[in-house]
Amino acid sequence: NAGVTQTPKFRVLKTGQSMTLLCAQDMNHEYMYWYRQDPGMGLRLIHYSVGEGTTAKGEVPDGYNVSRLKKQNFLLGLESAAPSQTSVYFCASSYPDPPYEQYFGPGTRLTVT
Amino acid sequence: EDQVTQSPEALRLQEGESSSLNCSYTVSGLRGLFWYRQDPGKGPEFLFTLYSAGEEKEKERLKATLTKKESFLHITAPKPEDSATYLCAVQNLKYNFNKFYFGSGTKLNVKP
Repeated sequence: NAGVTQTPKFRVLKTGQSMTLLCAQDMNHEYMYWYRQDPGMGLRLIHYSVGEGTTAKGEVPDGYNVSRLKKQNFLLGLESAAPSQTSVYFCASSYPDPPYEQYFGPGTRLTVT
Repeated sequence: EDQVTQSPEALRLQEGESSSLNCSYTVSGLRGLFWYRQDPGKGPEFLFTLYSAGEEKEKERLKATLTKKESFLHITAPKPEDSATYLCAVQNLKYNFNKFYFGSGTKLNVKP
């Protein structure tokens, strides 16, 4: 039982390049989330999904897109990377019942130069 | 506006020196308050959920308590392996799964 996994662990992009971050969970959770974590700030929600085929915007969605084609996978895309997107990205999943305790992946450290 | 403030930002303790971390929150209606532990280079790991004032939960050397305005994470006789960043988050009754307010964390360093 691997829990929540993320690939890649590290990535360096140049401004304007694109990439996709992959999140996979084996806990059969309905809900999945993408957060970013920046120094001195709390985790901020980018996008989330309540089930296969559904996605919705969170607190800071601009510059990102997501897809959830399969229940166990949640992809985060950056179409044209900007230095402001340098951050650590975490994927999380939870059951659909309150209080929605979240289980996090190990993170992806992204640097945009 | 809902918000979470954690203090101190950093805390250094000697092994065995007990202390407390604070999480102050402002929320119109609390669904739950969560504590997470985050080790360097890793994702947050769930510790506790507290639902109402007066509630307490314990796990090994950690004990979390909740009042109407704040939560404390008490660490009794800490060991070096307790060194980590501890995050607090709240969820408002008005919203569902898509609204968690996270604090910026307290970085705990326990020296042997």
